[in-house]
Amino acid sequence: EAGVAQSPRYKIIEKRQSVAFWCNPISGHATLYWYQQILGQGPKLLIQFQNNGVVDDSQLPKDRFSAERLKGVDSTLKIQPAKLEDSAVYLCASSRDSGFEGTQYFGPGTRLTVL
Amino acid sequence: SQQGEEDPQALSIQEGENATMNCSYKTSINNLQWYRQNSGRGLVHLILIRSNEREKHSGRLRVTLDTSKKSSSLLITASRAADTASYFCATDAKGYGQNFVFGPGTRLSVLP
Repeated sequence: EAGVAQSPRYKIIEKRQSVAFWCNPISGHATLYWYQQILGQGPKLLIQFQNNGVVDDSQLPKDRFSAERLKGVDSTLKIQPAKLEDSAVYLCASSRDSGFEGTQYFGPGTRLTVL
Repeated sequence: SQQGEEDPQALSIQEGENATMNCSYKTSINNLQWYRQNSGRGLVHLILIRSNEREKHSGRLRVTLDTSKKSSSLLITASRAADTASYFCATDAKGYGQNFVFGPGTRLSVLP
C-alpha cells in the first residue's frame, strides 16, 4: 500500500511569512497526526485528528499554527507568521487505530527553514 | 525534564555486537513504543509494549518494560551496519495533557 505522502519536501521562507504543509495519509487510516521535530530532538506532537475532528491540539501554538482535515482524509498545517524557532522538520503520520494504541506510519516530512 | 529519556545519548559498536538502549519515563503509561529514524527510511515504528507486558520480541529486537521502575530497554542483537540510526522511545501516558511524548533519542552507530 502507498505510504503517507507529504509536500513540499523542503521549504525556505523569511520570518513573518506564511507557509502551508500538506499531508495525505494511508487510505483507510482514520487517525492523523502532525509532529514537529527540531534538529537533535525527538518529534513533538502538535495535533491529532480522528477522522475530521480534533482529538488533541494541546501542544499546537494556536496564535500562529492552524491545521485542518477536511472530509477526514488530507490535512494541511499552516504557520502564519513564521518565526525563526519554527525551523524544523514537520512530520505527518497516520494510523488505523484511534489514540496511540497502534502503529503510526510516518511520511518523509517537510524540512522548513525560516531565515 | 521530558517524559521519556533515552540513555545513552550516543552509542558506537562493531557489527555483530549487541546494542542496548534504555528509556526512562515519569508518569503512568498505557503503552511504550520504540521507533527508529534514519535518513533513508525516515521514522519507522519498531515495537509496542503495553503496560501489562514485561517483554516482547520482534526478530533481532527485544524490548523489556519495568513499570515499577518506569523504564524500558531495547536490545538489538547481532547488529548490522544498516541498524545505524537514531532510536526513540515514545510513551502513551495515561490521563489528560501531553499524552504521546518522544524522548530525545539514542544515536547508534554500527561500524563495519
